[in-house]
Amino acid sequence: GAGVSQSPSNKVTEKGKDVELRCDPISGHTALYWYRQSLGQGLEFLIYFQGNSAPDKSGLPSDRFSAERTGGSVSTLTIQRTQQEDSAVYLCASSLDAGQAQPQHFGDGTRLSIL
Amino acid sequence: SQQGEEDPQALSIQEGENATMNCSYKTSINNLQWYRQNSGRGLVHLILIRSNEREKHSGRLRVTLDTSKKSSSLLITASRAADTASYFCATGFYNQGGKLIFGQGTELSVKP
Repeated sequence: GAGVSQSPSNKVTEKGKDVELRCDPISGHTALYWYRQSLGQGLEFLIYFQGNSAPDKSGLPSDRFSAERTGGSVSTLTIQRTQQEDSAVYLCASSLDAGQAQPQHFGDGTRLSIL
Repeated sequence: SQQGEEDPQALSIQEGENATMNCSYKTSINNLQWYRQNSGRGLVHLILIRSNEREKHSGRLRVTLDTSKKSSSLLITASRAADTASYFCATGFYNQGGKLIFGQGTELSVKP
């Protein structure tokens, strides 16, 4: 596709359920990033991938959060046993590679609401 | 924790006026980027300036970087109503891949 695609665009779920968010990066981009945007915390880095490897997972808030990337393309971010504080917009971005000084291209995000 | 602080938090101007937003950061950086976000949408990359550069231009945008003061500014000249959006600075670091740390953003409103 022409841009970064995220699905679903909106997700409402009950506290305690697991959710899976998907990101389809721009074709040919080897680096993929997950960020979270919330009113209280602003834009927070979660994790990035270079190919299928995740050199930096330092932003994942707890062990309930995990992410994987397969085939150097699609990535999924999984949140287990969701809590209300997980409500936020989850943004995915991709860049040509994870070398420094690269612009990142963002999807429109998944708006996650935990009831 | 956030690396960057931006000011003002909100800015309201008339069409045709210039808008200046400032960003300060705390640690050494490799590059600094500016992004725009329209309500309900993802971020759009505007401009990237490397730590060894002092000024960059792109159309109506001008970015400056002062590494001695750990600060950057974004100037939008001759603003238009379509420039209404939130603007974020983001810093990238040596040996940390492409990871970006974002500031809290400036909400710009341009009135026609």
